[in-house]
Amino acid sequence: AQSVTQLDSHVSVSEGTPVLLRCNYSSSYSPSLFWYVQHPNKGLQLLLKYTSAATLVKGINGFEAEFKKSETSFHLTKPSAHMSDAAEYFCVTTGGFKTIFGAGTRLFVKA
Amino acid sequence: ETGVTQTPRHLVMGMTNKKSLKCEQHLGHNAMYWYKQSAKKPLELMFVYSLEERVENNSVPSRFSPECPNSSHLFLHLHTLQPEDSALYLCASSPSRDNTYEQYFGPGTRLTVT
Repeated sequence: AQSVTQLDSHVSVSEGTPVLLRCNYSSSYSPSLFWYVQHPNKGLQLLLKYTSAATLVKGINGFEAEFKKSETSFHLTKPSAHMSDAAEYFCVTTGGFKTIFGAGTRLFVKA
Repeated sequence: ETGVTQTPRHLVMGMTNKKSLKCEQHLGHNAMYWYKQSAKKPLELMFVYSLEERVENNSVPSRFSPECPNSSHLFLHLHTLQPEDSALYLCASSPSRDNTYEQYFGPGTRLTVT
């Protein structure tokens, strides 16, 4: 069965410091993995996706994620946080015709 | 206009009202989705349409009735709702039902049931 676990419900960083949002997955298939971002009162926007090509995936706004099969992880990182990064982030796994969303991690960025 | 649009953006309705949510995608996609997003709960997939045929219905109460008249439009008809149905309703589309594709989301309709 597929599942995805976002290990932190809230993460707080200072502007200019690195961001790490953690996601572990479980899948019987070779998974596709996505990170989406949702700003207040907006829909979800794709940040990046992994579909069995390069294990280090670069996305928009300076975000990247690394697929680690041995650790069943797909953590999202950014070297330097910006105030505009404050939002909720969702890790998503798919396989077959199922799409499973994580519970979300809310990122706070302090000035 | 491009992307996925949803109307209305906000809706307040009584429990005896009938209303409809509308979603339109201008991306040429063949799959469309309705999601419910409640506070402090994971995103819940409600319905999936592929080539205008409903292919997934995740135990959604019958007071929610979807309609997909063509591949660009998706409706969610609401009738006799309960206060616990208050939530953000998100529409999404993707090129096909194949989940290697990402989904494109609309801005959502914030529904309040009084």
